[in-house]
Amino acid sequence: AQSVTQLDSQVPVFEEAPVELRCNYSSSVSVYLFWYVQYPNQGLQLLLKYLSGSTLVKGINGFEAEFNKSQTSFHLRKPSVHISDTAEYFCAVHYSAAGNKLTFGGGTRVLVKP
Amino acid sequence: DVKVTQSSRYLVKRTGEKVFLECVQDMDHENMFWYRQDPGLGLRLIYFSYDVKMKEKGDIPEGYSVSREKKERFSLILESASTNQTSMYLCASSLRLAGGRETQYFGPGTRLLVL
Repeated sequence: AQSVTQLDSQVPVFEEAPVELRCNYSSSVSVYLFWYVQYPNQGLQLLLKYLSGSTLVKGINGFEAEFNKSQTSFHLRKPSVHISDTAEYFCAVHYSAAGNKLTFGGGTRVLVKP
Repeated sequence: DVKVTQSSRYLVKRTGEKVFLECVQDMDHENMFWYRQDPGLGLRLIYFSYDVKMKEKGDIPEGYSVSREKKERFSLILESASTNQTSMYLCASSLRLAGGRETQYFGPGTRLLVL
C-alpha cells in the first residue's frame, strides 16, 4: 500500500533558527509531491509542489523542498523561521496509479518560540 | 481567488442523528473531495467526485455517503452519526487536469462532535 511518513509529529524551534521537516514516501515509478500548511483554525493551503524538472523547489514564505528519488524523500526547509510559521505542515503524494487521489502524511506541528 | 466554503465551523450532534455537511466552491472546479483530519493520522480521504452526480469511494467511506447535484456543491452525509465520527472534516476542490498535478484548495473545516 502507498504510504507517506512524516517522521516528526512536533518540532519546536526558536525564532530565526532553521527548520527541516522530513517526509518519506513509499517507492513508486511516478509521483507528484506536495507540501501543504495549515495555520491555526484554517484550512490547508499549498506551500509548494514538485511535478518534474529541478529537484529543488521553492515555495511561498521562504520555504523550499528537495526531491530525492533514491531516498524517496521530500524534506521541507526554511533557513530562518518566524513566529508566524507556527502551523501544522502536511506532506502529500500523488501516485500515478491513484487517479485523482492524494495520500497525506500524519502532519508535523511546528511551534516557533521567541 | 479560489474560495471553498463549508456550511458550519462547529457542529454538535447526538448519536444516531443524520448529519449533513455542505461544501461550496466558486471556481468551477470539476473535482471535489471530503477528508477527515485526526491527530497523528493526517488527512484521510472519505469520498471524492470528479463531475456532477459522479462519486468515488476514498480510503474510509464506511458510515458516509455523498451527494453532488450541482457542480459547485458537494455534500457529505452521515446517515447515523456515531461517536467515532467525531473529527474535523475538510472539503477541497481542484481542476481536473491530467495526471494528478493539480493543486487542491481547502475550506476552513467543520469540527464535528458526536455525543
